[in-house]
Amino acid sequence: AQTVTQSQPEMSVQEAETVTLSCTYDTSESDYYLFWYKQPPSRQMILVIRQEAYKQQNATENRFSVNFQKAAKSFSLKISDSQLGDAAMYFCAYGGAGNNRKLIWGLGTSLAVNP
Amino acid sequence: GAGVSQTPSNKVTEKGKYVELRCDPISGHTALYWYRQSLGQGPEFLIYFQGTGAADDSGLPNDRFFAVRPEGSVSTLKIQRTERGDSAVYLCASSPGLGGEQFFGPGTRLTVL
Repeated sequence: AQTVTQSQPEMSVQEAETVTLSCTYDTSESDYYLFWYKQPPSRQMILVIRQEAYKQQNATENRFSVNFQKAAKSFSLKISDSQLGDAAMYFCAYGGAGNNRKLIWGLGTSLAVNP
Repeated sequence: GAGVSQTPSNKVTEKGKYVELRCDPISGHTALYWYRQSLGQGPEFLIYFQGTGAADDSGLPNDRFFAVRPEGSVSTLKIQRTERGDSAVYLCASSPGLGGEQFFGPGTRLTVL
C-alpha cells in the first residue's frame, strides 16, 4: 500500500523569504502522480502543483516549485517570495496512474507567514 | 454552478441518528470522490464513483456508511446510527475522469454529539 509522510507539522517563514516543505512517499508502482494541495481555514482544497512521475523535469507554477527525487521517493515544495496569503495547511498527496485516481494524503504542514 | 458544492455546510446531530450529505459535482465530470478529514489529519479516501457505479468503496469504514450516485451526477453520502467518532469534515471532489485533476468542494463539517 502507498503511504505519504510529512515530517514537519508546523513551519514558519518571513514574508518575501523562501521556505521548503518536505514530503516522502512509498510505493511499488512505477507510474503515478504527486500533488501539493493548500487548505486555508475555509477548508477548500486548492491544487498548488502536480508532478507526473515519468517526467524528470521538476514542475513549476509561478512562485511554487518542487524537487522531485524519484529514486529517493522525495517530493518537496519550495515557496519563493512568500506572501501572507500563503499561510495555510499544505498537504502532499499521492495518486495512482489508473482510472481510479484516489489520493493518499500526508498529515499536512501548517505554514505561518510572518510579516 | 462553476465549482463543486456540498450541502449542508455544517451538520450537528445526535449519536444514533441518520444523516445525509450531498455533493453536486462540476457539470460533466464523470468521476466523483468522497474523503473524510478528521481534526488534525489529512483526508482519507472513502469511495470513488465512475458514472453511476461505485468503482472503489474500499475506504468506507463499516456498513453504516453508504453512498449513491443514481444519475451519475449528484452524490449522497449516508451515515446510519452515527457515532461520535464519525465527527469530521467530509470532502467531495470531482474530475473529468481518466485521470483529470480533482476539484474539491468546501466540505461538510459533521459533528455528532
